[in-house]
Amino acid sequence: EDKVVQSPLSLVVHEGDTVTLNCSYEVTNFRSLLWYKQEKKAPTFLFMLTSSGIEKKSGRLSSILDKKELFSILNITATQTGDSAVYLCAVDRAGGTSYGKLTFGQGTILTVHP
Amino acid sequence: DTEVTQTPKHLVMGMTNKKSLKCEQHMGHRAMYWYKQKAKKPPELMFVYSYEKLSINESVPSRFSPECPNSSLLNLHLHALQPEDSALYLCASSHPLAIYTGELFFGEGSRLTVL
Repeated sequence: EDKVVQSPLSLVVHEGDTVTLNCSYEVTNFRSLLWYKQEKKAPTFLFMLTSSGIEKKSGRLSSILDKKELFSILNITATQTGDSAVYLCAVDRAGGTSYGKLTFGQGTILTVHP
Repeated sequence: DTEVTQTPKHLVMGMTNKKSLKCEQHMGHRAMYWYKQKAKKPPELMFVYSYEKLSINESVPSRFSPECPNSSLLNLHLHALQPEDSALYLCASSHPLAIYTGELFFGEGSRLTVL
């Protein structure tokens, strides 16, 4: 059975701290790994990773994938209160011609205090 | 603001009712999705439509019936639901296969309560 496991499940930090969120996976027909941020309702896309060792960056966020060890990390530097959210890792499984067949991890709840 | 619009935002229904959830996008996306999210759980895929054809049904019970009348609209028809079906139902869309970037655009969801 496909599995995506995130750790830690929750994290409380202060503004300015750097955090690392982890995601490990066991899925058949892996296509890509994605990170989403969910604040209130709609998850919003952060990154898609398909190749090992290539870091993706967007501002203070960065992510990297290790396809040999089957995990990814999401780093957030200089955290701000606006980073408080649930961070979801998902794996896209190849399914014929369909994309977006995502299996999500349980999420990491990040709380950033002023 | 999300460009995927879902209605209604909240819905309360009895187990014998028939209702529908609606989703609309005007981004030219040709893949649309229904996900179900229970409280404090991650979203779970229900259905995928690709070019208005159902391409994935994740063994969803028949009391949930999806419909994609055109490339901009996606419906989820509900009938004879159970209280355990209460959840946030998220619609999403994405670019066509050729330019898929991994980015699913999610709507804000319809919060369903089954009494």
